[in-house]
Amino acid sequence: NAGVMQNPRHLVRRRGQEARLRCSPMKGHSHVYWYRQLPEEGLKFMVYLQKENIIDESGMPKERFSAEFPKEGPSILRIQQVVRGDSAAYFCASSPGTAATNEKLFFGSGTQLSVL
Amino acid sequence: SQKIEQNSEALNIQEGKTATLTCNYTNYSPAYLQWYRQDPGRGPVFLLLIRENEKEKRKERLKVTFDTTLKQSLFHITASQPADSATYLCALPPNQAGTALIFGKGTTLSVSS
Repeated sequence: NAGVMQNPRHLVRRRGQEARLRCSPMKGHSHVYWYRQLPEEGLKFMVYLQKENIIDESGMPKERFSAEFPKEGPSILRIQQVVRGDSAAYFCASSPGTAATNEKLFFGSGTQLSVL
Repeated sequence: SQKIEQNSEALNIQEGKTATLTCNYTNYSPAYLQWYRQDPGRGPVFLLLIRENEKEKRKERLKVTFDTTLKQSLFHITASQPADSATYLCALPPNQAGTALIFGKGTTLSVSS
Protein backbone atom coordinates (compact mmCIF):
# COMPACT_ATOMS: atom_id res chain seq x y z
CA ASN A 1 0.00 0.00 0.00
CA ALA A 2 1.86 3.04 -1.25
CA GLY A 3 2.08 6.02 1.05
CA VAL A 4 1.49 9.63 0.15
CA MET A 5 3.36 10.34 -3.07
CA GLN A 6 4.68 13.77 -3.87
CA ASN A 7 6.51 14.88 -6.97
CA PRO A 8 8.82 16.25 -7.88
CA ARG A 9 11.12 15.87 -4.86
CA HIS A 10 13.12 18.88 -5.95
CA LEU A 11 11.97 21.73 -8.16
CA VAL A 12 14.08 24.64 -9.32
CA ARG A 13 12.40 27.67 -10.83
CA ARG A 14 13.51 31.13 -11.84
CA ARG A 15 11.70 34.16 -10.53
CA GLY A 16 8.48 34.74 -12.42
CA GLN A 17 8.00 31.12 -13.50
CA GLU A 18 5.22 28.82 -12.34
CA ALA A 19 5.69 25.95 -9.91
CA ARG A 20 3.35 23.00 -9.90
CA LEU A 21 3.53 20.51 -7.03
CA ARG A 22 1.66 17.20 -7.10
CA CYS A 23 0.36 14.99 -4.33
CA SER A 24 -1.34 11.60 -4.53
CA PRO A 25 -2.92 10.72 -1.17
CA MET A 26 -2.92 7.27 0.33
CA LYS A 27 -5.51 4.91 -1.10
CA GLY A 28 -8.84 5.45 0.58
CA HIS A 29 -7.97 8.90 1.92
CA SER A 30 -10.19 11.73 0.77
CA HIS A 31 -8.73 14.54 2.91
CA VAL A 32 -5.62 16.35 1.70
CA TYR A 33 -3.65 19.05 3.52
CA TRP A 34 -0.77 21.16 2.24
CA TYR A 35 1.84 22.58 4.62
CA ARG A 36 4.90 24.74 4.03
CA GLN A 37 8.09 24.46 6.06
CA LEU A 38 10.92 26.97 6.13
CA PRO A 39 14.33 26.29 7.74
CA GLU A 40 14.10 26.68 11.53
CA GLU A 41 10.35 27.14 11.21
CA GLY A 42 7.51 24.80 11.95
CA LEU A 43 5.04 23.37 9.52
CA LYS A 44 2.59 26.06 8.49
CA PHE A 45 -0.86 25.05 7.28
CA MET A 46 -1.79 26.29 3.84
CA VAL A 47 -4.90 24.59 2.53
CA TYR A 48 -7.27 21.69 3.20
CA LEU A 49 -9.12 19.98 0.39
CA GLN A 50 -11.49 17.12 -0.19
CA LYS A 51 -12.30 15.72 -3.59
CA GLU A 52 -13.27 18.61 -5.88
CA ASN A 53 -13.67 20.99 -2.93
CA ILE A 54 -11.49 23.50 -1.13
CA ILE A 55 -12.58 23.30 2.49
CA ASP A 56 -10.17 25.76 4.11
CA GLU A 57 -7.61 27.94 2.37
CA SER A 58 -7.06 30.33 5.26
CA GLY A 59 -3.32 29.61 5.38
CA MET A 60 -2.66 30.23 1.73
CA PRO A 61 -1.53 33.60 0.37
CA LYS A 62 -4.35 35.30 -1.48
CA GLU A 63 -2.31 35.95 -4.59
CA ARG A 64 -0.30 33.62 -6.83
CA PHE A 65 -1.17 30.47 -4.87
CA SER A 66 -3.94 28.05 -5.75
CA ALA A 67 -4.79 24.43 -5.02
CA GLU A 68 -7.08 21.81 -6.42
CA PHE A 69 -8.02 18.20 -5.80
CA PRO A 70 -9.89 16.98 -8.88
CA LYS A 71 -12.18 14.00 -9.03
CA GLU A 72 -9.51 12.09 -10.89
CA GLY A 73 -5.80 12.55 -10.38
CA PRO A 74 -3.55 14.08 -7.77
CA SER A 75 -3.95 17.23 -5.75
CA ILE A 76 -2.04 20.15 -7.24
CA LEU A 77 -0.52 23.15 -5.47
CA ARG A 78 0.23 25.85 -8.01
CA ILE A 79 2.41 28.88 -7.41
CA GLN A 80 2.41 31.47 -10.16
CA GLN A 81 5.15 34.04 -10.74
CA VAL A 82 7.37 32.58 -8.03
CA VAL A 83 9.59 34.82 -5.92
CA ARG A 84 12.64 33.93 -3.83
CA GLY A 85 10.52 33.99 -0.67
CA ASP A 86 8.55 31.00 -2.00
CA SER A 87 11.62 28.78 -1.57
CA ALA A 88 10.66 26.19 1.02
CA ALA A 89 9.73 22.56 1.55
CA TYR A 90 6.10 21.89 0.71
CA PHE A 91 4.50 18.88 2.34
CA CYS A 92 1.28 17.17 1.50
CA ALA A 93 -0.56 15.01 4.03
CA SER A 94 -3.65 12.87 3.77
CA SER A 95 -6.05 11.28 6.22
CA PRO A 96 -9.18 9.17 6.07
CA GLY A 97 -11.06 11.64 8.26
CA THR A 98 -10.79 15.09 9.75
CA ALA A 99 -8.69 16.60 12.51
CA ALA A 100 -11.89 16.95 14.50
CA THR A 101 -12.15 13.16 14.63
CA ASN A 102 -8.65 12.60 16.02
CA GLU A 103 -7.25 11.52 12.68
CA LYS A 104 -3.50 11.31 12.33
CA LEU A 105 -1.85 12.64 9.20
CA PHE A 106 0.21 10.66 6.73
CA PHE A 107 2.83 12.86 5.10
CA GLY A 108 4.64 12.64 1.81
CA SER A 109 8.37 13.24 1.52
CA GLY A 110 7.81 16.78 0.38
CA THR A 111 8.84 18.94 -2.57
CA GLN A 112 11.80 21.23 -2.03
CA LEU A 113 11.20 24.34 -4.12
CA SER A 114 14.18 26.53 -4.89
CA VAL A 115 13.64 29.86 -6.62
CA LEU A 116 16.70 31.35 -8.31
CA SER B 1 -4.94 32.60 19.07
CA GLN B 2 -3.61 29.18 20.06
CA LYS B 3 0.12 28.92 20.49
CA ILE B 4 2.44 25.93 20.75
CA GLU B 5 5.95 26.09 22.19
CA GLN B 6 8.61 23.42 22.08
CA ASN B 7 12.19 23.54 23.37
CA SER B 8 13.83 25.71 20.75
CA GLU B 9 17.30 24.46 21.51
CA ALA B 10 18.55 21.09 20.40
CA LEU B 11 18.72 18.34 22.97
CA ASN B 12 21.94 16.33 23.10
CA ILE B 13 22.07 13.18 25.21
CA GLN B 14 24.13 10.02 25.49
CA GLU B 15 22.97 6.65 24.32
CA GLY B 16 21.04 4.76 26.97
CA LYS B 17 19.74 7.88 28.73
CA THR B 18 16.14 9.07 28.75
CA ALA B 19 15.29 12.00 26.50
CA THR B 20 12.48 14.30 27.64
CA LEU B 21 10.95 16.80 25.25
CA THR B 22 8.40 19.44 26.22
CA CYS B 23 5.39 20.86 24.43
CA ASN B 24 3.50 23.78 25.98
CA TYR B 25 0.39 25.41 24.61
CA THR B 26 -1.68 28.47 25.45
CA ASN B 27 -5.09 29.95 24.75
CA TYR B 28 -6.59 26.57 24.09
CA SER B 29 -8.02 23.38 25.58
CA PRO B 30 -7.36 20.66 23.00
CA ALA B 31 -9.22 17.38 23.01
CA TYR B 32 -5.99 15.55 22.12
CA LEU B 33 -2.35 16.06 21.24
CA GLN B 34 -0.16 14.23 18.74
CA TRP B 35 3.59 13.67 18.44
CA TYR B 36 5.46 13.20 15.14
CA ARG B 37 9.02 12.42 14.20
CA GLN B 38 10.72 14.14 11.27
CA ASP B 39 14.04 13.10 9.74
CA PRO B 40 16.05 15.49 7.51
CA GLY B 41 14.58 15.71 4.03
CA ARG B 42 11.53 13.63 4.95
CA GLY B 43 7.96 14.26 5.96
CA PRO B 44 6.80 13.88 9.56
CA VAL B 45 5.76 10.43 10.74
CA PHE B 46 3.03 9.96 13.34
CA LEU B 47 4.14 8.44 16.65
CA LEU B 48 1.49 8.81 19.33
CA LEU B 49 -1.85 10.44 20.11
CA ILE B 50 -2.97 11.18 23.66
CA ARG B 51 -6.46 12.36 24.58
CA GLU B 52 -7.36 14.94 27.20
CA ASN B 53 -8.76 12.28 29.55
CA GLU B 54 -5.56 10.21 29.34
CA LYS B 55 -2.72 11.09 31.67
CA GLU B 56 -0.15 8.86 30.03
CA LYS B 57 0.35 6.77 26.90
CA ARG B 58 3.11 4.30 26.11
CA LYS B 59 4.41 2.66 22.97
CA GLU B 60 7.55 0.55 23.24
CA ARG B 61 10.28 2.95 24.47
CA LEU B 62 8.08 6.02 24.07
CA LYS B 63 5.95 7.61 26.75
CA VAL B 64 3.76 10.68 26.47
CA THR B 65 2.03 12.56 29.28
CA PHE B 66 -0.68 15.18 28.99
CA ASP B 67 -1.32 17.67 31.79
CA THR B 68 -4.32 19.80 30.87
CA THR B 69 -3.88 21.93 34.00
CA LEU B 70 -0.30 22.88 33.15
CA LYS B 71 -1.19 22.90 29.43
CA GLN B 72 1.80 20.73 28.76
CA SER B 73 2.78 17.43 27.20
CA LEU B 74 6.03 15.61 27.90
CA PHE B 75 7.51 13.14 25.43
CA HIS B 76 9.99 10.62 26.79
CA ILE B 77 12.28 8.21 24.96
CA THR B 78 13.82 5.70 27.32
CA ALA B 79 17.05 3.82 26.61
CA SER B 80 17.73 6.22 23.76
CA GLN B 81 19.68 5.11 20.70
CA PRO B 82 21.53 7.04 17.98
CA ALA B 83 18.72 6.01 15.62
CA ASP B 84 16.36 8.12 17.73
CA SER B 85 18.16 11.26 16.53
CA ALA B 86 15.56 13.35 14.70
CA THR B 87 13.28 16.35 15.13
CA TYR B 88 10.15 15.72 17.17
CA LEU B 89 7.02 17.77 16.59
CA CYS B 90 3.96 18.12 18.72
CA ALA B 91 0.66 18.94 17.08
CA LEU B 92 -2.69 20.14 18.34
CA PRO B 93 -6.08 19.89 16.71
CA PRO B 94 -7.59 23.09 15.36
CA ASN B 95 -9.75 25.29 17.51
CA GLN B 96 -13.35 25.87 16.51
CA ALA B 97 -12.34 28.23 13.71
CA GLY B 98 -9.80 25.89 12.11
CA THR B 99 -9.70 22.62 10.21
CA ALA B 100 -6.11 21.40 10.29
CA LEU B 101 -3.54 20.24 12.83
CA ILE B 102 -1.27 22.97 14.16
CA PHE B 103 2.38 22.05 14.64
CA GLY B 104 5.06 23.28 16.98
CA LYS B 105 8.48 24.16 15.57
CA GLY B 106 9.91 20.93 16.90
CA THR B 107 12.85 19.93 19.05
CA THR B 108 15.92 18.34 17.50
CA LEU B 109 17.25 15.41 19.47
CA SER B 110 20.77 14.12 19.00
CA VAL B 111 21.79 10.87 20.67
CA SER B 112 25.50 10.14 20.74
CA SER B 113 27.03 6.70 21.18
